[in-house]
Amino acid sequence: NAGVTQTPKFQVLKTGQSMTLQCAQDMNHNSMYWYRQDPGMGLRLIYYSASEGTTDKGEVPNGYNVSRLNKREFSLRLESAAPSQTSVYFCASSALFRETEAFFGQGTRLTVV
Amino acid sequence: SQQGEEDPQALSIQEGENATMNCSYKTSINNLQWYRQNSGRGLVHLILIRSNEREKHSGRLRVTLDTSKKSSSLLITASRAADTASYFCATGKTSGSRLTFGEGTQLTVNP
Repeated sequence: NAGVTQTPKFQVLKTGQSMTLQCAQDMNHNSMYWYRQDPGMGLRLIYYSASEGTTDKGEVPNGYNVSRLNKREFSLRLESAAPSQTSVYFCASSALFRETEAFFGQGTRLTVV
Repeated sequence: SQQGEEDPQALSIQEGENATMNCSYKTSINNLQWYRQNSGRGLVHLILIRSNEREKHSGRLRVTLDTSKKSSSLLITASRAADTASYFCATGKTSGSRLTFGEGTQLTVNP
């Protein structure tokens, strides 16, 4: 039982490049989330998917897109990376939207140069 | 701005002492959760307290919730060096879209 798995763990991009962060959970959770963590800013929600087939913007969605591929997988795409997107990205899932504990992946450390 | 705000930002104690961290929030909540993050790792859920609960225990952890003051506290008793981590509170609102995290308290337990 792996929980929440994110790939890759580390990535360096040049400004303007694109990439997709992958996230999968094996807990049959309905809800999935993408957060970014920056020093002194806590965790900020980028996008979330309350249930399979739905996605919604969070607090800081600009520059990102998401896809809820199926119940297990929720990907985050950066179409044209910018240095301001240098951050640590966390995927999380929960059984019920807002009602239960969230389980987090180990994070992706992204640097945009 | 963040819904949950932890206090203090940093706390340094000796092994065996108790550690208390506080969290304040601004709007009505459905539940409040505490998470731990070890350096370079993801967050790990510690405890969830619902808005109709006042106190909850889990091992060496004790969480209180005062909805009239919009505040919560996390007490770690008999701390250990392994408790060194950042601790975050997160609030689940009664309306709205997100589980909102504070900026965290960095706890250092010195052996």
